[in-house]
Amino acid sequence: KNQVEQSPQSLIILEGKNCTLQCNYTVSPFSNLRWYKQDTGRGPVSLTIMTFSENTKSNGRYTATLDADTKQSSLHITASQLSDSASYICVVSERSNYQLIWGAGTKLIIKP
Amino acid sequence: KAGVTQTPRYLIKTRGQQVTLSCSPISGHRSVSWYQQTPGQGLQFLFEYFSETQRNKGNFPGRFSGRQFSNSRSEMNVSTLELGDSALYLCASSLVRQADSYEQYFGPGTRLTVT
Repeated sequence: KNQVEQSPQSLIILEGKNCTLQCNYTVSPFSNLRWYKQDTGRGPVSLTIMTFSENTKSNGRYTATLDADTKQSSLHITASQLSDSASYICVVSERSNYQLIWGAGTKLIIKP
Repeated sequence: KAGVTQTPRYLIKTRGQQVTLSCSPISGHRSVSWYQQTPGQGLQFLFEYFSETQRNKGNFPGRFSGRQFSNSRSEMNVSTLELGDSALYLCASSLVRQADSYEQYFGPGTRLTVT
């Protein structure tokens, strides 16, 4: 069964600290993996999209990694800011049925 | 360029009524997908339209339907509303199929409250 699991479910860190969010998936056949940021009550915003051949991709203070062999991805946030408080969602694209498999998200809270 | 727009932004309906939500994708985008998000829950996929054809459908009852017009604008209809239909309904547009390696852009959502 195609699944995307994220950990931790929630995370609280102090402003200025770094953090890493995890995503494990069992989706097959794999097409691409995305990370989204969603502020409360708003639509998700894309941070990165990675295909099978990409190991690392950065977007400002956000760096995503992908290990297609172990079917794991991580999102690293550097020097966190209060505006980083949001849910971060991992989404994996399944190639044969053109489906997106959504993770439940990690709720990140940045405290001053 | 203009982003994805959704109308109305807020809506209050009574059980048993029906509702139509509208989504205008980014100019040139051919794929429109709809999602439901209930409080504290993740996004649940409703359906994807591409070139006026429904290409994929999520696990929702037949009360949920949609369509896409020749200008790629899309509407979603929910008939016989239930209290559990209260949610944020999100629309997303993409240049190609949503699962292809191309960014998907979300609208601000329509907040539907059923009383």
